[in-house]
Amino acid sequence: KAGVTQTPRYLIKTRGQQVTLSCSPISGHRSVSWYQQTPGQGLQFLFEYFSETQRNKGNFPGRFSGRQFSNSRSEMNVSTLELGDSALYLCASSLDRGLASNEQFFGPGTRLTVL
Amino acid sequence: DQQVKQNSPSLSVQEGRISILNCDYTNSMFDYFLWYKKYPAEGPTFLISISSIKDKNEDGRFTVFLNKSAKHLSLHIVPSQPGDSAVYFCAAKAGGGNKLTFGTGTQLKVEL
Repeated sequence: KAGVTQTPRYLIKTRGQQVTLSCSPISGHRSVSWYQQTPGQGLQFLFEYFSETQRNKGNFPGRFSGRQFSNSRSEMNVSTLELGDSALYLCASSLDRGLASNEQFFGPGTRLTVL
Repeated sequence: DQQVKQNSPSLSVQEGRISILNCDYTNSMFDYFLWYKKYPAEGPTFLISISSIKDKNEDGRFTVFLNKSAKHLSLHIVPSQPGDSAVYFCAAKAGGGNKLTFGTGTQLKVEL
């Protein structure tokens, strides 16, 4: 079974631009979550999508948005990029059987650098 | 507001000895706790978890202990192996959904 895939793996953008990152979950997984990892703030939750609906949202500005498609693939978008958006963006998928023990499987991440 | 804290940024242990990684939390609503391991250039990998109704969970060389009254959990690795060298993250969940709140991580180095 293929794992969680994220594209692209590396991305360089300039301030003010916008970027779209893609995540393909493990086949059959309906929940997709996004996290931002930075040296200063660690791993921070951005949002979670389940059956095409945003189920949870972290404390990030409205420049960060996401969506999920009917095949569970997800994209996240960051508009008006700032230098501080430089980070590793991680996607995680889960089968989500409504249990607290739903295991989340992480992709390798997209390394975004904003110049 | 760091709701999950790992106060030791790094830990060095000899091969074969016990590694103990600690984690503290402040949010009483957390009811499920997890440990993840992360290598550079890879996403975190799930290691072990524990529900708030338990105080211990064991899986092979890994044991997680939860002390709810102290809002503290720890991960024990016995015996430690060089391949265990990685960054370990403690994470917590509250209620439904899959939102994880992570600690800042502890870099474990297992030396020969």
